[in-house]
Amino acid sequence: QSVVTQPPSASGTPGQRVTISCSGSTSNIGNGYVYWYQHLPGTAPKLLIYRNNQRPSGVPDRFSGSKSGTSASLAISGLRSEDEGDYYCAAWDVSLSGRIFGTGTKVTVL
Amino acid sequence: QLQLQESGPGLLKPSETLSLTCSVSGGSISSSSHYWAWVRQPPGKGLEWIGSIYYSGTTYYTPSLKSRVTIFVDTSKNQFSLKLNSVTAADTALYYCQGSYYDSTQAIDSWGQGSLVIVSS
Repeated sequence: QSVVTQPPSASGTPGQRVTISCSGSTSNIGNGYVYWYQHLPGTAPKLLIYRNNQRPSGVPDRFSGSKSGTSASLAISGLRSEDEGDYYCAAWDVSLSGRIFGTGTKVTVL
Repeated sequence: QLQLQESGPGLLKPSETLSLTCSVSGGSISSSSHYWAWVRQPPGKGLEWIGSIYYSGTTYYTPSLKSRVTIFVDTSKNQFSLKLNSVTAADTALYYCQGSYYDSTQAIDSWGQGSLVIVSS
């Protein structure tokens, strides 16, 4: 079964840069676009990055995405306390004919 | 601005059918450019994509639920719905509906606030 793996946790102090990795396969990340979502407690998920590195209107440029081969990453620069929450990558998986979310990463601001 | 709102029963018994509806405002459910989906989050776990439907009626479902799930659109009410048969405790989760549109210059990605469904005898 296809799995997209993220580190369970990441942390940093205010102002620091944090990077979250997303590792997949040729059937998902390696075959299409990657999307990144921020999921804060008690709220609906919010799209941060689409099509690997594009930011929707209103998303600060502190958030950036990249993709190489079967892996992708999300960088948060100038970390703020309000960035604390869960982050998920997502991609379409051609072998499943469905979307797959990464395992999720909890970001803690120390 | 696209807005979505889930509705449906919050408590089910094992073997019953889960039925949730997502009401869409600020956009047409019949739009050829949008993608409509259901996502769930079991307690203490990550996001799980359930399935999606396009304006053409084409549906896609996650393999683990495919035998039990149906997603369909009601254009007269500007809604789309989720049905999940034969629920068990493992289907207890916060269920979200999602509406999306992406192109090279913009992204529209809206979610409902979530609907908690508990399966318990």
